[in-house]
Amino acid sequence: DTGVSQDPRHKITKRGQNVTFRCDPISEHNRLYWYRQTLGQGPEFLTYFQNEAQLEKSRLLSDRFSAERPKGSFSTLEIQRTEQGDSAMYLCASSLDRGRETQYFGPGTRLLVL
Amino acid sequence: GQNIDQPTEMTATEGAIVQINCTYQTSGFNGLFWYQQHAGEAPTFLSYNVLDGLEEKGRFSSFLSRSKGYSYLLLKELQMKDSASYLCAAPPYNQGGKLIFGQGTELSVKP
Repeated sequence: DTGVSQDPRHKITKRGQNVTFRCDPISEHNRLYWYRQTLGQGPEFLTYFQNEAQLEKSRLLSDRFSAERPKGSFSTLEIQRTEQGDSAMYLCASSLDRGRETQYFGPGTRLLVL
Repeated sequence: GQNIDQPTEMTATEGAIVQINCTYQTSGFNGLFWYQQHAGEAPTFLSYNVLDGLEEKGRFSSFLSRSKGYSYLLLKELQMKDSASYLCAAPPYNQGGKLIFGQGTELSVKP
């Protein structure tokens, strides 16, 4: 148990619907990352926060995607007007920010868009 | 840019030794990570190398050669539970904390 939790673990939605995922990092970690993983591939970086500041967003993160970390603790990732291509595992990870720190991953939210 | 390559899949026998290779091309070097991921589960941290050489942790060892842009993960005394995907990952130099992952090597351990 790495201590990072994600909710929900599974989500099935219809194309065009909005979905929101939550991540709770390890309590003392001030960096939080979102990745997306499709079958047979490694995780792809989406965005990351240091405390409440969103410091980087991947070009993969279209304008339908938004992430927040309002109080520097938990984070949410929202996908608006979902498309079938959004079907993937959405992984959250957290780390300290002292130099090169190991990222610890949560169990992921598996999204299926019908 | 950053590119990480590793074999797609490997098969090995219980009790044997297997070496999973990873080559990387980076605009700078900031260390290399190995993660293990069982099907449907989160990646779990195995090792981090920033200096050349071999680092041993029980049955798992990781090797790095910065001059060759090469790393490997060595698994000894294979057990059935070692069947998983093994992910090689590197943080881009001076680009914050994100990790760039290879596609993962799916290891099947057979009796």
